[in-house]
Amino acid sequence: KQEVTQIPAALSVPEGENLVLNCSFTDSAIYNLQWFRQDPGKGLTSLLLIQSSQREQTSGRLNASLDKSSGRSTLYIAASQPGDSATYLCAVRRSDSWGKLQFGAGTQVVVTP
Amino acid sequence: DAGVIQSPRHEVTEMGQEVTLRCKPISGHDYLFWYRQTMMRGLELLIYFNNNVPIDDSGMPEDRFSAKMPNASFSTLKIQPSEPRDSAVYFCASTLGGGGTGNQPQHFGDGTRLSIL
Repeated sequence: KQEVTQIPAALSVPEGENLVLNCSFTDSAIYNLQWFRQDPGKGLTSLLLIQSSQREQTSGRLNASLDKSSGRSTLYIAASQPGDSATYLCAVRRSDSWGKLQFGAGTQVVVTP
Repeated sequence: DAGVIQSPRHEVTEMGQEVTLRCKPISGHDYLFWYRQTMMRGLELLIYFNNNVPIDDSGMPEDRFSAKMPNASFSTLKIQPSEPRDSAVYFCASTLGGGGTGNQPQHFGDGTRLSIL
């Protein structure tokens, strides 16, 4: 059974620092991995999707890496801003189950001005 | 473009009552997902549809839960009878998958916060 873990559960950094969020998964037979952002009282917003054949994806200040063999992904957010405060979740899609995403519990991020 | 639309945003009802949650996916998307989010269990997939047909309902907790998708632009999740342990935030999501690579992200609605007293 696939298990997805995100450490730390919470993180507080001063504005301007780089953020590093970790996601680990137990079964390397994944089709892709997605990073989402969730604001309080809102749904999830997809940030980046990394296909299993890719090593990383970038969008603006966001960069996500994927190491399937070690079961790890890292989301980097450069030069953090207070508007980056949110909960960040990673989710893996298994190769043998179309559409089914297994989510981690998330990392709650607070960026202080 | 309009995103995934869910209604109601909040629902408070008494135990034993029937609850119906509604979802309108993004136009053109052929996959629709229902999730439940709680502090204890995180985000759980309940059921998903492809082209209005239920594909996997293994996450539906009990027979009290049922979901339908009568057409491509509307889906419902029904709980009858409701119980306090059903209190959670219920999300609907949609994506485009048919004929593609399967690497399209899921788009989520803002959820329905359900409280069963």
